[in-house]
Amino acid sequence: QQQVKQSPQSLIVQKGGISIINCAYENTAFDYFPWYQQFPGKGPALLIAIRPDVSEKKEGRFTISFNKSAKQFSLHIMDSQPGDSATYFCAPHSTGFQKLVFGTGTRLLVSP
Amino acid sequence: GAVVSQHPSRVICKSGTSVKIECRSLDFQATTMFWYRQFPKQSLMLMATSNEGSKATYEQGVEKDKFLINHASLTLSTLTVTSAHPEDSSFYICSASGTGNSNYGYTFGSGTRLTVV
Repeated sequence: QQQVKQSPQSLIVQKGGISIINCAYENTAFDYFPWYQQFPGKGPALLIAIRPDVSEKKEGRFTISFNKSAKQFSLHIMDSQPGDSATYFCAPHSTGFQKLVFGTGTRLLVSP
Repeated sequence: GAVVSQHPSRVICKSGTSVKIECRSLDFQATTMFWYRQFPKQSLMLMATSNEGSKATYEQGVEKDKFLINHASLTLSTLTVTSAHPEDSSFYICSASGTGNSNYGYTFGSGTRLTVV
């Protein structure tokens, strides 16, 4: 059973603050670690992803930190904006078009 | 980038009728398509996986006779909810992967809100 645990379940951050969301997995065969962003009434969209050969990846205000030994990776949103308010899902998997197992999701609210 | 178009975005149907949802890959060949169901404030739950030209593989607990999936071409998959009932009301999302998809395999449609009355 592929277990993916995401925390926190919800998060409120003031504008300009840092949002941190965590994802823990069990399957050591996973080799791709993405975060998806979903707005209400829309499908998820790939936000940022990392491969296990690096420990950190930054794209603009979004950073993934990866800890292979702990089987965890996290999403950091710097200078959080109200437009970042959405639900975020991790979905680690093995490449090769296998089915995704989504984390439970984190509802982020960035207050103005 | 890879684009997946899903239609309709919203549909309301009467109990007992059938509803078809379409999922199209616009700029790549979708060799595999996935159908998800999402209840309010919950995560996405995989319903089935379909490969072009083959029968869909359904997840445990998903009724294959109620949720008919067709993946007859490399750009189109359909989900038909047969004899819909109010408990089938949900948000349905498709995802496509295949040759030419730069998102390391997965691009999602915008979802379909199904309400059965």
